[in-house]
Amino acid sequence: GAVVSQHPSRVICKSGTSVKIECRSLDFQATTMFWYRQFPKQSLMLMATSNEGSKATYEQGVEKDKFLINHASLTLSTLTVTSAHPEDSSFYICSARQWGATEAFFGQGTRLTVV
Amino acid sequence: KQEVTQIPAALSVPEGENLVLNCSFTDSAIYNLQWFRQDPGKGLTSLLLIQSSQREQTSGRLNASLDKSSGRSTLYIAASQPGDSATYLCAVDDYKLSFGAGTTVTVRA
Repeated sequence: GAVVSQHPSRVICKSGTSVKIECRSLDFQATTMFWYRQFPKQSLMLMATSNEGSKATYEQGVEKDKFLINHASLTLSTLTVTSAHPEDSSFYICSARQWGATEAFFGQGTRLTVV
Repeated sequence: KQEVTQIPAALSVPEGENLVLNCSFTDSAIYNLQWFRQDPGKGLTSLLLIQSSQREQTSGRLNASLDKSSGRSTLYIAASQPGDSATYLCAVDDYKLSFGAGTTVTVRA
């Protein structure tokens, strides 16, 4: 299967700072990237969908100014959590899909802890 | 909006017993349905993907069925082992994936 690389796998940051998470498709062109969030003992919730070169589409209840998504190339998308607070502590995972492909592929996830 | 439900939420069985995990979804206009395994604190491991035109998929001790018309999928795990203990997630793909809440499985040695 195709490979999606997500970094970092773990990050601890201070409250009020910003954190950037990278998601790269290594061997295919990711025309669409998806970002999910998972709180402890809960399922994955879609945060936003981004198509290469376009603005991301955010799900209801997700603050677009807080969770900045950039998808400027066909192999890289970034999620920046701005002015992070302890309640943003969560597991963030990206998924990448090539147009017309039958399957989306997932990164390894990033465990964010805000202290 | 696609709603995905998994039943039961948790399951505890003795080693060797067969497992049956259920998933239901509300919108049958899907590309495929995928089953994942998630270990505590870890990412997702893809187990089986069933395309919308297929009825089932098999991999080793795992078998997954799909009935699009009724909005149901079932994951069967034969002869369970303690290493099968994990949370199993069903995800319905209508270009973006919608996940169920998962079934947490414990296999007792």
